[in-house]
Amino acid sequence: DAKTTQPTSMDCAEGRAANLPCNHSTISGNEYVYWYRQIHSQGPQYIIHGLKNNETNEMASLIITEDRKSSTLILPHATLRDTAVYYCIVRAPRGGSSYKLIFGSGTRLLVRP
Amino acid sequence: NAGVTQTPKFQVLKTGQSMTLQCAQDMNHEYMSWYRQDPGMGLRLIHYSVGAGITDQGEVPNGYNVSRSTTEDFPLRLLSAAPSQTSVYFCASSYSTTGSMNTEAFFGQGTRLTVV
Repeated sequence: DAKTTQPTSMDCAEGRAANLPCNHSTISGNEYVYWYRQIHSQGPQYIIHGLKNNETNEMASLIITEDRKSSTLILPHATLRDTAVYYCIVRAPRGGSSYKLIFGSGTRLLVRP
Repeated sequence: NAGVTQTPKFQVLKTGQSMTLQCAQDMNHEYMSWYRQDPGMGLRLIHYSVGAGITDQGEVPNGYNVSRSTTEDFPLRLLSAAPSQTSVYFCASSYSTTGSMNTEAFFGQGTRLTVV
């Protein structure tokens, strides 16, 4: 699995967009980028994933650069409940050990009132 | 749907005691796994299973055993508890068939274990 690099911590104001970067410069051609978050020591929660096109769902948007070496998770209107640790993970879509999630240290996002 | 259920939520053990952490899922997922999370750190994979009767080791398997006799259950056994095993334990499940895309993993709420 490719390693990822994320800032240790970030903050943003409530109601503003939170942009969380992730570097995955050694990503392989078939590996997807997944984002999870962990709110206050609860079990991690899936947010979104993508391969090379930008993706959007009800929780967030994922922007992947054209060379796929980095990505940004966007929470368009952050709320206090979005305060959490955000993990960026790369993994293959199927087969082998792709079902294993390898967590790094993540980014601790603090949303300020 | 209850999702992934872990029991107990909290446990205190004495050094040398053994115990089993329970994990059950009602989503008919093939894949199940156990992680531990130490304070201020990310999750580390202990053991995982790709289906009933099949288990394998993750990053930090020493001191733990697992079995998968049914699709629904994936218990984690601590053989002889040590203070270094004080941690929060998470169970996860996900669904994938050969040739199909992996789905997202669903996590339980965790078991907070203290070994004194």
